[in-house]
Amino acid sequence: NAGVTQTPKFQVLKTGQSMTLQCAQDMNHEYMSWYRQDPGMGLRLIHYSVGAGITDQGEVPNGYNVSRSTTEDFPLRLLSAAPSQTSVYFCASSYSSDTDTQYFGPGTRLTVL
Amino acid sequence: AQKVTQAQTEISVVEKEDVTLDCVYETRDTTYYLFWYKQPPSGELVFLIRRNSFDEQNEISGRYSWNFQKSTSSFNFTITASQVVDSAVYFCALSEAATDSWGKLQFGAGTQVVVTP
Repeated sequence: NAGVTQTPKFQVLKTGQSMTLQCAQDMNHEYMSWYRQDPGMGLRLIHYSVGAGITDQGEVPNGYNVSRSTTEDFPLRLLSAAPSQTSVYFCASSYSSDTDTQYFGPGTRLTVL
Repeated sequence: AQKVTQAQTEISVVEKEDVTLDCVYETRDTTYYLFWYKQPPSGELVFLIRRNSFDEQNEISGRYSWNFQKSTSSFNFTITASQVVDSAVYFCALSEAATDSWGKLQFGAGTQVVVTP
């Protein structure tokens, strides 16, 4: 198993550009989520999905879109990047089990100029 | 609403000293999960422990130990005989156990641990 993979690892955008951060998992996990990490603020939930076709907003959803067409993939879209979206983005997944845990991807470091 | 407070921004210790990281949480739910994650300088998030709100037993794993006290809403983490490799940011997190809340982790701001030789 590759676990949770994220691409790209690093990205630099100009204000107003759009891009998609990719996240994939091969563990057949139902639950997937996106977090952003900013200095001194820990990780904050952006969007969340409980299964294919179902998504929900987290704490800081503005400026981001998601969709979940397959169990494996959960892309995060920035439609018009802003400097405030400069952050490290983590994708996570988990199976709906009482004994399971969240698996985090390696992160994507995004800089918006 | 959920909230996790890690009041210690940074802790510096000399190798072999013990270090305790504080975590205080707020939740209205009676069933919830608490977590600790480690983020080394390389940036990945490493899962350390998950604790169910109904299980108040303290846990020890090697040099790591956790003290869960529901009465004070705290879930503290102690590293015994610290080593340089313990230098990292440590996050405490909380999630509610309801099906539609699973996966929604509320993180604390993190505590930077610096262990010097």
